[in-house]
Amino acid sequence: GAGVSQSPSNKVTEKGKDVELRCDPISGHTALYWYRQSLGQGLEFLIYFQGNSAPDKSGLPSDRFSAERTGGSVSTLTIQRTQQEDSAVYLCASNLRGAHEQYFGPGTRLTVT
Amino acid sequence: AQRVTQPEKLLSVFKGAPVELKCNYSYSGSPELFWYVQYSRQRLQLLLRHISRESIKGFTADLNKGETSFHLKKPFAQEEDSAMYYCARPRNYGGSQGNLIFGKGTKLSVKP
Repeated sequence: GAGVSQSPSNKVTEKGKDVELRCDPISGHTALYWYRQSLGQGLEFLIYFQGNSAPDKSGLPSDRFSAERTGGSVSTLTIQRTQQEDSAVYLCASNLRGAHEQYFGPGTRLTVT
Repeated sequence: AQRVTQPEKLLSVFKGAPVELKCNYSYSGSPELFWYVQYSRQRLQLLLRHISRESIKGFTADLNKGETSFHLKKPFAQEEDSAMYYCARPRNYGGSQGNLIFGKGTKLSVKP
């Protein structure tokens, strides 16, 4: 079956511009996660959606970062006024409520010039 | 705060040598623990979980509550084991939710 998909696979943007990253989870998965992966920092948790509950935004590094999940499915991570330190691979994962195995997408590599 | 520590950023061994990737967790009762792996140009995926006590691709990991460790071991490393390995545990005590904390990862390089 189809796994988690993310788009775009690569994004190059100029410092100060806004970017939107998209995640399409596995159908039926109620939980969706965003992570940032960078050298030396490993996997940094950003935000977690679970069904209709309020999202856990505790990992968002600044108010330039936001995410939404429409209709309990597709999610968009938005980074406003991008900075060079935002350059990283952004990973999305999904799973069923209560399950610990997370299924990851291929990631979006963001480069801020 | 709950933590997962992987002290080695990079581990380099020769093919056929034993390998041990270290993972320590902050104490909070009896957690569930996992190892995830990311091979080059592939997605991050679950390798094994302690609760199932299984061996995957020759890797095993034993939970040591006294040392709060969950080290990943393989007696004879293969070149195809070269990858990034992450140790993880549930973010919330009790582990009823799927939210995980990941360590910073260890890059394993197996040389021919």
